[in-house]
Order: sequence, then structure tokens, then C-alpha cells
Amino acid sequence: DAGITQSPRHKVTETGTPVTLRCHQTENHRYMYWYRQDPGHGLRLIHYSYGVKDTDKGEVSDGYSVSRSKTEDFLLTLESATSSQTSVYFCAISQEEGSSYNSPLHFGNGTRLTVT
Amino acid sequence: TQLLEQSPQFLSIQEGENLTVYCNSSSVFSSLQWYRQEPGEGPVLLVTVVTGGEVKKLKRLTFQFGDARKDSSLHITAAQPGDTGLYLCAGAPRNAGNNRKLIWGLGTSLAVNP
Repeated sequence: DAGITQSPRHKVTETGTPVTLRCHQTENHRYMYWYRQDPGHGLRLIHYSYGVKDTDKGEVSDGYSVSRSKTEDFLLTLESATSSQTSVYFCAISQEEGSSYNSPLHFGNGTRLTVT
Repeated sequence: TQLLEQSPQFLSIQEGENLTVYCNSSSVFSSLQWYRQEPGEGPVLLVTVVTGGEVKKLKRLTFQFGDARKDSSLHITAAQPGDTGLYLCAGAPRNAGNNRKLIWGLGTSLAVNP
């Protein structure tokens, strides 16, 4: 299994508080992604990174920011958590980005976030 | 908006039965991936299909990519309780085969009862 660790695995927080989720990989893969998974919506890309300090938005980036200061770590921050951000968050990595055939996604085991 | 529709949404069968799940779109994909996700875990890649009409087998699982590369199916022979999980398909749009452009289906939740 690809070495991907997400922390925390579970978190409950209050509306309006900032929250940071961490993804750590030991595979030295260049590309890292943050997804959220919700019933009726499936997996949706929040942000991704194509290198240290190189990030870009996905389809549901509003209310989220990311940082990547080292190859192995990709942080997702909810600047001011809202109830609509209650979800399961997955980090994924891939070695290459140009061809999904040659470089599929490897996922972490997720963080279940509840915003009350 | 490109969509991938998976059917059925839920499936509950007895051990030993055969089943087929479908992933359909009106769009053409350069490749299509199938993942399985177990409760509390992330999706795990099963297979990627690239060529129209391609058939790939993984033990009791048979994957097929439609001739026009708009749809795919997953057939499981003699299902086992260990096959239980959420099956997801993800398509790479034509001319945009990179991972950040993947289109995800909502999944088929399969329960195989002993």
C-alpha cells in the first residue's frame, strides 16, 4: 500500500473555527490532491498540488486553502468552518499527472470532519 | 457538465451469485478507472481501461470498456463476502487525461451476504 497518512482521522469542531487537516506521504510522489466525499455528490476535488509551493484550485475550493512546504506534506485548511463542510476528506497522491492511465491515484484513509 | 452515471446505486446479493454494475456517460473518455472502497478507508484502484472494447480480468472480476469509450461495466462472478464495498468509476475526459480532471461516478454499494 502507498504510504499515505491522514491526520486526524476524526474531528469535531464548531462553526467559525479554523481547522487544518494533514496529509503525509512517504512515496515521494510529486502530485497530491484533496477530495471531499459526500452522499449524492461523490468525490469532488478541492485543491491539488503539483510540487512544493505549487498548488491550484479544484471544483469546490471556496472556503478552503492549502499549503505544501515539503514534498511529503499537504495541508488543507478550512479558514472558518461551516456546517456545509461536514464531510469525509481524502488525500490522494500520484507519481505523474500527465496520464491517469500510467499514474493512478492512491488514497489515504480519510478524515471524518463534523462541524457543529 | 460531464457526468458518469453508475447503476445500480445499491445491490444486495447472496454469496455465489453473479452481478454486473454499469458506468455510463454521454461523453468520451480517454481512459476509465474502477476503484473499490471499503468502509472507513479510501478508494483502491482495481483496474484502468484505455482502449475501446478492451476487456480486463482480475480474478473473478471482468471489466469492459465500451467500443465508443463512453461506458464501462464490471462483472463479478460467484460473488464473495469479501467483494462487499463501494465500487467507483472515474473517467479521464478525452484530451484531458490528467488526474485533476477525473470525473467520478457516485458509486455502486455492493453487499454480498454469506
